[in-house]
Amino acid sequence: GENVEQHPSTLSVQEGDSAVIKCTYSDSASNYFPWYKQELGKRPQLIIDIRSNVGEKKDQRIAVTLNKTAKHFSLHITETQPEDSAVYFCAVSGGYNKLIFGAGTRLAVHP
Amino acid sequence: GAVVSQHPSRVICKSGTSVKIECRSLDFQATTMFWYRQFPKKSLMLMATSNEGSKATYEQGVEKDKFLINHASLTLSTLTVTSAHPEDSSFYICSAETGSNEQFFGPGTRLTVL
Repeated sequence: GENVEQHPSTLSVQEGDSAVIKCTYSDSASNYFPWYKQELGKRPQLIIDIRSNVGEKKDQRIAVTLNKTAKHFSLHITETQPEDSAVYFCAVSGGYNKLIFGAGTRLAVHP
Repeated sequence: GAVVSQHPSRVICKSGTSVKIECRSLDFQATTMFWYRQFPKKSLMLMATSNEGSKATYEQGVEKDKFLINHASLTLSTLTVTSAHPEDSSFYICSAETGSNEQFFGPGTRLTVL
């Protein structure tokens, strides 16, 4: 089955810096790659996603890049703000529209 | 759009009782809903895929007789934890798929079994 690895597990940055989180996957047939943000005690929220026919997608301060050959994709957050502090999960569509999640990255943005 | 509700948000029950959790898609029809379990500071673990009008598909290691899933309509799926025990205590979250792979999550249900 699909295997998703996410790094780093924790990330600490200063406000205004950029943050990058990376995920690798194993199934070359996977074609949908969403990123979710989860604040403590709350639901995961879809923040950006990318499909396999696109290499990069951007939405204001957030961008996602996909390298299908290498089977990895990354989340980029620029000009980080304290409210970006949360746990971020990557996911990969693993057949039958199931999502397989990475282990998560705890991002802390310090003022 | 793409709002998913979940009820109850929190439940405390005695060991041996059954608990039903409802998941509703409020502004769209969801042929497929998913049920996840999340332990503290851990990722989401898929338990089962709930398809409207058919039996749920359970992930390996998830007992179907323990976690009963019913998807009676395009906007409602229910998860019943039967004969709950303390080890079933967890955060249960549902999601609904819009038809283009996107999944939107409910707010979750925190189950505590005494």
